[in-house]
Amino acid sequence: DSGVTQTPKHLITATGQRVTLRCSPRSGDLSVYWYQQSLDQGLQFLIHYYNGEERAKGNILERFSAQQFPDLHSELNLSSLELGDSALYFCASSVGASGASTDTQYFGPGTRLTVL
Amino acid sequence: AQKVTQAQTEISVVEKEDVTLDCVYETRDTTYYLFWYKQPPSGELVFLIRRNSFDEQNEISGRYSWNFQKSTSSFNFTITASQVVDSAVYFCALRGNQAGTALIFGKGTTLSVSS
Repeated sequence: DSGVTQTPKHLITATGQRVTLRCSPRSGDLSVYWYQQSLDQGLQFLIHYYNGEERAKGNILERFSAQQFPDLHSELNLSSLELGDSALYFCASSVGASGASTDTQYFGPGTRLTVL
Repeated sequence: AQKVTQAQTEISVVEKEDVTLDCVYETRDTTYYLFWYKQPPSGELVFLIRRNSFDEQNEISGRYSWNFQKSTSSFNFTITASQVVDSAVYFCALRGNQAGTALIFGKGTTLSVSS
């Protein structure tokens, strides 16, 4: 158990809908990262938050957004869902208190999103 | 640009065989970090090891060992005396020398260990 929690574990929804994925980092970690794992694209970085502020963006679609709250949990919002958004979405956290480049990212169990 | 290549898509071995998973990386950073993660059939990503570019010592942890060679930009992972529980997808990942830089993952190698 990495200490990173994600809810829900599974999510099934229809095209055009909006969903919210939730992540709680390990105790003491200030950084939260979101990744998408799909069969064709593999594991891809979406976005990084550090202590409530957005720090980096990867291949995140405009239909997707995220935020990190004062209690450090994070939410990934996916809207106008398409079939191709079906994937496993991972959250990872790292200490990141001083921006140390040696931080290791520990991953949550993931949320499997199925868009029908 | 940074890139990680895991040329072996799938490997099948019989229990107790040794197996090596290859990882080749590309980066222009002089300082960087390499990682291996394991994804068992249950789906979670489990951290195995981090290696800093300035530390070329190889590492052994039980049946696992890692061979880092800067000269060939490789960071290979060997499992000795494989077991059925080692069956999983293994990912090699790279991160550059900037705080918060995302992990760049290889495509993964699926290891199947049969009894």
